[in-house]
Amino acid sequence: EAGVTQFPSHSVIEKGQTVTLRCDPISGHDNLYWYRRVMGKEIKFLLHFVKESKQDESGMPNNRFLAERTGGTYSTLKVQPAELEDSGVYFCASSQNLQGDYGYTFGSGTRLTVV
Amino acid sequence: AQSVSQHNHHVILSEAASLELGCNYSYGGTVNLFWYVQYPGQHLQLLLKYFSGDPLVKGIKGFEAEFIKSKFSFNLRKPSVQWSDTAEYFCAVLGGTYKYIFGTGTRLKVLA
Repeated sequence: EAGVTQFPSHSVIEKGQTVTLRCDPISGHDNLYWYRRVMGKEIKFLLHFVKESKQDESGMPNNRFLAERTGGTYSTLKVQPAELEDSGVYFCASSQNLQGDYGYTFGSGTRLTVV
Repeated sequence: AQSVSQHNHHVILSEAASLELGCNYSYGGTVNLFWYVQYPGQHLQLLLKYFSGDPLVKGIKGFEAEFIKSKFSFNLRKPSVQWSDTAEYFCAVLGGTYKYIFGTGTRLKVLA
């Protein structure tokens, strides 16, 4: 089966610009998650979708971040305007069941650099 | 608050050496424990997981981990590493929610 696809794989933008990251989960996976890893730190939860609904966005850093999942398929994460501290690797993951008992399937991540 | 500590940030080993990566977590309830690996340029992959039962868990590629409840630990081991094991390893906990709590990762470099 196809895995979780993220693009772009890398993005370099200037402070104040807007960037949109995209994630295509495994087909049929209702649960979609966004995580972020700031350099040298742990991977941290951002938010969770079940189909098109946001179940938990408690990890979103601030209102400059907007996630959507139209139609319950792919998801986008927009950062507007980007700040230096937004640099990091953004991971998307999907799973069939909520508890992730079988582990999540992660994408390769998008490395975002804000300069 | 839940947290996961990985003691070694960087480990360098020669091929055939034995590996043990430490992982401690803090959570008072029932936990599900995982080790993920990220090979250079690739996505995070599940190495192994523990939910219940035998505390010694075997995963892919010859890795195993032991859950020691009294020590809140879930250390990853491999008797003999290969150059292809060069990667970053993450310990993670699912404790009562669907959100992973990850450790900071351990970069392993295996010298041929």
